[in-house]
Amino acid sequence: DSGVTQTPKHLITATGQRVTLRCSPRSGDLSVYWYQQSLDQGLQFLIHYYNGEERAKGNILERFSAQQFPDLHSELNLSSLELGDSALYFCASSVDTRPNQPQHFGDGTRLSIL
Amino acid sequence: AQTVTQSQPEMSVQEAETVTLSCTYDTSESDYYLFWYKQPPSRQMILVIRQEAYKQQNATENRFSVNFQKAAKSFSLKISDSQLGDAAMYFCAYRSLYGGATNKLIFGTGTLLAVQP
Repeated sequence: DSGVTQTPKHLITATGQRVTLRCSPRSGDLSVYWYQQSLDQGLQFLIHYYNGEERAKGNILERFSAQQFPDLHSELNLSSLELGDSALYFCASSVDTRPNQPQHFGDGTRLSIL
Repeated sequence: AQTVTQSQPEMSVQEAETVTLSCTYDTSESDYYLFWYKQPPSRQMILVIRQEAYKQQNATENRFSVNFQKAAKSFSLKISDSQLGDAAMYFCAYRSLYGGATNKLIFGTGTLLAVQP
């Protein structure tokens, strides 16, 4: 158990819909990262938040947005969903922003678009 | 931009034997971190081992060790005394020390390891 909690574990929805994925980092971790794992793109970094502030953006679509709340949990919002958004979405957390701090991953949310 | 390449999509090993998974990377940076993550069928991403590029000594964690060849930009993972529980997808990952790039892990495409009893 990594200590990172992601909900829900599975999500099935239709094209055009909007969903919210939730992540609670390990106790004491201030950094939250979101990654997408898909068959065609592999594992890709989406976005990083540190103590409530956005720190870096990766290959995140404009239809996607995220935020980190004062209690440090984070949400990834996906809107106008397309078939290609079907993927496993991981949240990871680390103590801070130092690169020597390992990122600990949650179990992921499996998103299926019908 | 940095890239990570895992040229072995699948590997197989007999229980109790040793297997080596390959990883190469491309970067112009002199300092960085390298990681191996394991993803079993349960789909968790589990950190196996990490290596700081400025350290000459290869990292070791129990049955897992790496062969880090900085000049060759190679970072292979050796699993000794393979166990059935080692069966998983293994990902090699790179993390920069510089600027905004330090925030992300860059992953290879993974190697699926099967362990035969």
